Amino acid sequence: NAGVMQNPRHLVRRRGQEARLRCSPMKGHSHVYWYRQLPEEGLKFMVYLQKENIIDESGMPKERFSAEFPKEGPSILRIQQVVRGDSAAYFCASSPASYNEQFFGPGTRLTVL
Amino acid sequence: QQPVQSPQAVILREGEDAVINCSSSKALYSVHWYRQKHGEAPVFLMILLKGGEQKGHDKISASFNEKKQQSSLYLTASQLSYSGTYFCGTSEYGNKLVFGAGTILRVKS
Repeated sequence: NAGVMQNPRHLVRRRGQEARLRCSPMKGHSHVYWYRQLPEEGLKFMVYLQKENIIDESGMPKERFSAEFPKEGPSILRIQQVVRGDSAAYFCASSPASYNEQFFGPGTRLTVL
Repeated sequence: QQPVQSPQAVILREGEDAVINCSSSKALYSVHWYRQKHGEAPVFLMILLKGGEQKGHDKISASFNEKKQQSSLYLTASQLSYSGTYFCGTSEYGNKLVFGAGTILRVKS
């Protein structure tokens, strides 16, 4: 059973460009969570999605950030007009249902030049 | 509000035991424990649910005091591979996790 997959693993963008991060949950998992981790810090919740629905986006900045989890295909976290402060590791986790353990993907390390 | 973890860091020799604590001011539905090595993803260790159910690795044990909203992770007979940063994640409603700042564990030979 393949784990949570994320790509790309490393992404370099210049200020003002767009970043698209992809997450494919584990087989049988329909719940996806995105977390951000700044260097030497803990994980911060951003958004929780189920297929085609955003359930909780309370941790996501109101501007420039958006997330989706379409019926077919991976979940996408999109950051428009990136700034240096967006540089971080972005992890996605999946679970078969809410109330269950969450399994993390390997993360995408975004560097904004 | 972020749960509070203690200690912030601990150094052990192989074979020694350690306890990591996690305390929340919120009424919790569940507590999750993860270990993260530098540059890697967090690895699931244990979930403890309100009501007493828990799931996790056989070699890991933990407790959850629902009255005090405190959880403890018990690492016994530590091995070099136990080194890393341990995070507790708490959930009020069974969905998103709020993580503590982490406890750095270093096991020396």
